Amino acid sequence: DIQMTQSPSSLSAYIGDRVTITCRASQSISSYLNWYQQKPGKAPSLLIYGASTLQGGVPSRFRGSGSATDFTLTITSLQPEDFATYYCQQSYSTPKYTFGQGTKLEI
Amino acid sequence: QVQLQESGPGLVKPSETLSLICTVSGGSMNHYYWSWIRQSPGKGLEWIGYIYYGGSTNYNPSLKSRLTISLDTSKNQFSLNLSSVTAADTAVYYCARFYGSSDAFDVWGQGTMVTVSS
Repeated sequence: DIQMTQSPSSLSAYIGDRVTITCRASQSISSYLNWYQQKPGKAPSLLIYGASTLQGGVPSRFRGSGSATDFTLTITSLQPEDFATYYCQQSYSTPKYTFGQGTKLEI
Repeated sequence: QVQLQESGPGLVKPSETLSLICTVSGGSMNHYYWSWIRQSPGKGLEWIGYIYYGGSTNYNPSLKSRLTISLDTSKNQFSLNLSSVTAADTAVYYCARFYGSSDAFDVWGQGTMVTVSS
């Protein structure tokens, strides 16, 4: 199985800050890396696919980068609605897609 | 826009079968992979399996022996059956659409909590 490891597990920041979340794969996954945002009591929602492509309707302050084993999600100028838990997920290895353990972003 | 809605019992007894249905509204089931994903405090997000609109399936190897996912396009529904459940199967179960062009889960249901307990 491909293991996905996110860091940090939790992060505190201020409105307006720039934050970066890292996701590392246990083997190369090319660019088959997606990022999701989950708010309490809600389902995850897709932010970025293919490591760097913004899903429709997602604000441009969200940026994804990386390839092979190392990926980052950057949020520039944090807004109140961005405080949530973020997950990475690999789609390289079927039939077992795997998720990172999550990064909780708090005010 | 496409919406997904899970339905089924919230409580299942140990050793019995967990059965859920996902109803797809606002769009066609064609050309997509229809998935189940669960989330528990102990294991985070876990992909369970998917069924393609044509009927082929792919299951998480760790659940494969207990799992059946089926499709009813006439009702715009797909379903999950997980047999011989234990407390470890207690989780929020989500249905989700996997889009082959993006290789991502782009539409999710709201989720349904299933507790395994006697």
